Amino acid sequence: DIQMTQSPSSLSASVGDRVTITCRASQDITTYLAWFQQKPGKAPKSLIYAASSLHIGVPSKFSGSGSGTDFTLTISSLQPEDFATYYCQQYNTYPLTFGGGTKLEIK
Amino acid sequence: EVQLLESGGHLVQPGGSLRLSCAASGFTFSSYAMSWVRQAPEKGLEWISGISGSGISTYYADSVKGRFTISRDSSKNTLYLQMNSLRVEDMAIYYCVKADGRYPVLATIDYWGQGTLVTVSS
Repeated sequence: DIQMTQSPSSLSASVGDRVTITCRASQDITTYLAWFQQKPGKAPKSLIYAASSLHIGVPSKFSGSGSGTDFTLTISSLQPEDFATYYCQQYNTYPLTFGGGTKLEIK
Repeated sequence: EVQLLESGGHLVQPGGSLRLSCAASGFTFSSYAMSWVRQAPEKGLEWISGISGSGISTYYADSVKGRFTISRDSSKNTLYLQMNSLRVEDMAIYYCVKADGRYPVLATIDYWGQGTLVTVSS
C-alpha cells in the first residue's frame, strides 16, 4: 500500500497568516493527489485534485503543488473559517489512501 | 446539484450484520464510480471500498475484504455496503463518496455524503 505522510500533524496560526502543509507519498503517484478540508462534526469537503486544480467554488486562497512523491497545500490570508483539519489522499493505486491529517488551529 | 444521502447506520453487536445505503441524485449515477470512506471516532479517513460506474468491478481495503460487499442499483440510483462479521474496530462514521470518473482509481473524490454512524458494541 502507498503510505501518505502529512506534516505537521498540527499547526497553530493567526488570522491573516499564510501556512503550508506537506504530504509525502511512499512511492511515485505522479499528480494523483487530492486535498480535503474537514470541520468538526462535518463531512469532508473536496478542495484540490490533480495536485493543483481547485474544485469548483473553492477560493483561490487555497493552492496545491507537487508531483511524484512530494506535495504541498498552501492557504493564504487565513480566516476563521479556514481553521479545520486537512487531509491529503492518493488515488493513483488501490487501496486509495489518506494522510493522517493536519489540524490547523487558531493561535 | 449532487446529493448523496446515506442511511442504515445503527447500533449492532460484534459479529452482527448491517446494510448501508446511499441515495444519489443530481448526476448520471451509472457513469461514475462510487466509494465508501469511513472515519473512526477521533481518527482519520480510511477508504474501504469502491465500485466502478458499471458495477462490474469492485475493490476493497484489506481491513474489510471478505466481510463487506459493495454494490449499486442504477435503477434506484443507490449505492450499498453490506457489512458482515462486524468488529468493534468497524465502529465509525461511513461516508458515501462520488468519484469524478468511471473507476475509483485515477479519479478524484468530488462529492461527499453527510455520513451515517455505525456503532459496534455489546
